[in-house]
Amino acid sequence: AQSVTQLDSQVPVFEEAPVELRCNYSSSVSVYLFWYVQYPNQGLQLLLKYLSGSTLVKGINGFEAEFNKSQTSFHLRKPSVHISDTAEYFCAVSDNFNKFYFGSGTKLNVKP
Amino acid sequence: DAGVIQSPRHEVTEMGQEVTLRCKPISGHNSLFWYRQTMMRGLELLIYFNNNVPIDDSGMPEDRFSAKMPNASFSTLKIQPSEPRDSAVYFCASSGGGGALNTGELFFGEGSRLTVL
Repeated sequence: AQSVTQLDSQVPVFEEAPVELRCNYSSSVSVYLFWYVQYPNQGLQLLLKYLSGSTLVKGINGFEAEFNKSQTSFHLRKPSVHISDTAEYFCAVSDNFNKFYFGSGTKLNVKP
Repeated sequence: DAGVIQSPRHEVTEMGQEVTLRCKPISGHNSLFWYRQTMMRGLELLIYFNNNVPIDDSGMPEDRFSAKMPNASFSTLKIQPSEPRDSAVYFCASSGGGGALNTGELFFGEGSRLTVL
């Protein structure tokens, strides 16, 4: 079975500062990787995904992530965060689009 | 386009009562997933269906939980009898479609928040 580790449960950051949310996965096979965002009292929505091709993936709201196969990582980055980015972020992995394994989530708290 | 629709959004019930949560997936999607989210355990996959057939229910916590998908546009998750420890947000998600329609991502509903007193 796959597993996903999000190393930071909470990340406080000041507005306009850069941020990186870390995600590592365990898998011996090719995987598809995803980042989802959850705003309060809402469902999860897709930020970005890596299926194949370029290892640098750009998503919505200025986020990007880099797939690193040798380090089995898929860290999420944004060069300058806004208050509106305050939310919980989930990394997920799937090998066949049938089962998705989610990390425990990282709460990003952007302070003014 | 309508997304995944879940009802009710909020449910408060007493221990021992039956609870039924409902989900309408996105039209054309052939996979449907039920997740449970709690502070303690995070996001847990309970069961998923492919073409209306349950494929993996290993995440269903116990016999009190059951899920059905009688057709491609409707699924239910039932808890009978409910217990306080079932209090959580239950999400339904759908994905897939044939070939190029499958973009690989899950589309989530807004969730059903269940409180069992």
